[in-house]
Amino acid sequence: KAGVTQTPRYLIKTRGQQVTLSCSPISGHRSVSWYQQTPGQGLQFLFEYFSETQRNKGNFPGRFSGRQFSNSRSEMNVSTLELGDSALYLCASSRDWGMSAEAFFGQGTRLTVV
Amino acid sequence: AQTVTQSQPEMSVQEAETVTLSCTYDTSESDYYLFWYKQPPSRQMILVIRQEAYKQQNATENRFSVNFQKAAKSFSLKISDSQLGDAAMYFCAYRSATRGSQGNLIFGKGTKLSVKP
Repeated sequence: KAGVTQTPRYLIKTRGQQVTLSCSPISGHRSVSWYQQTPGQGLQFLFEYFSETQRNKGNFPGRFSGRQFSNSRSEMNVSTLELGDSALYLCASSRDWGMSAEAFFGQGTRLTVV
Repeated sequence: AQTVTQSQPEMSVQEAETVTLSCTYDTSESDYYLFWYKQPPSRQMILVIRQEAYKQQNATENRFSVNFQKAAKSFSLKISDSQLGDAAMYFCAYRSATRGSQGNLIFGKGTKLSVKP
């Protein structure tokens, strides 16, 4: 059974550009969550999608957005990139939406903004 | 708001020895889940062990066990017979189980574990 797949693994962008990251959950999983990991702030929750609907959202500016497709694959978009957006972006999939659902993580996308 | 604190930024253990990683949390909720995740250099977060707050019995997974003290809001991880492959960042995480609350994970800052041969 394939795990959570995130693409691309590495990305270098320039300030002001926008970027789209992709996450394919484990087959059969319908919930996808996104987290940002930085040395200073640690792991912070961005948002969670279930059945193509955003269920929860963390405390990030509107430049961060996401969506989920009918096949449960998810994308997150960051517009007008800032140097501080440089981070490891982790995606986690769960079978269902809810507190008891176990989360399985991908290997992340390392975004560097220059 | 819930918070998770890991007071040990780095820990070191000799191969085959036992090490305990500390975690405390703050919450006003009575129903929640606690987790320990391992993040090796490959960056993939791997679930090590999970504890439901309503269970008094401490969770155990092979060489990994927890000491869950609900009243003290403490959740430590004990790794027995440490192996070189245990070297990684370890994150303690909290997830609410209260109906209507956000279901996202709240992480501590992590503890970097080194294993000496």
